[in-house]
Amino acid sequence: AQKVTQAQTEISVVEKEDVTLDCVYETRDTTYYLFWYKQPPSGELVFLIRRNSFDEQNEISGRYSWNFQKSTSSFNFTITASQVVDSAVYFCALSENSGYSTLTFGKGTMLLVSP
Amino acid sequence: ETGVTQSPTHLIKTRGQQVTLRCSSQSGHNTVSWYQQALGQGPQFIFQYYREEENGRGNFPPRFSGLQFPNYSSELNVNALELDDSALYLCASSTYREQETQYFGPGTRLLVL
Repeated sequence: AQKVTQAQTEISVVEKEDVTLDCVYETRDTTYYLFWYKQPPSGELVFLIRRNSFDEQNEISGRYSWNFQKSTSSFNFTITASQVVDSAVYFCALSENSGYSTLTFGKGTMLLVSP
Repeated sequence: ETGVTQSPTHLIKTRGQQVTLRCSSQSGHNTVSWYQQALGQGPQFIFQYYREEENGRGNFPPRFSGLQFPNYSSELNVNALELDDSALYLCASSTYREQETQYFGPGTRLLVL
């Protein structure tokens, strides 16, 4: 069975600090996808990034960067120079290729960025 | 915004009642998935619909049922509501070819009293 663990339940930082959100996953499949979603207080899950299991290249998008390491089954997310608007709950999710795709989510990490 | 819409935004029901939630998928998306998100938890997969048929189901009882229509919109029906059904219900749409990448609507907040 697949499982996603986000050990950090809540992180508080001051604006302009860098922050890393951790994600560890478990799967038996060799083909799978990893995701990060952002959920602001409004409730809508906003898609941030998708990574497939064959692509371990790290990615940077503006202030966001992702570090995928298959050897440790981790897919960590870093926000550089955090801003108050980054305050939200962030979810890591895993999707296996099993005939139909369902996302298995972690419990989320609440990020609070104060001015 | 993703283009996925859900109605209603909020709903209050009493235990034992039935509820219907609605979802319109993003243009070009033919697959719809439903998730239940309890307070402080990550979303949990309820089921997925493709071509008007249930394509996969999570660990939810049969009183959770759904429909998909020819225009790919979808309904989630919950019968015999229980207090634990209080949650945010999220609909997500995707293309069948890239069904792993799902785009979510704003959700319906259901409170069961």
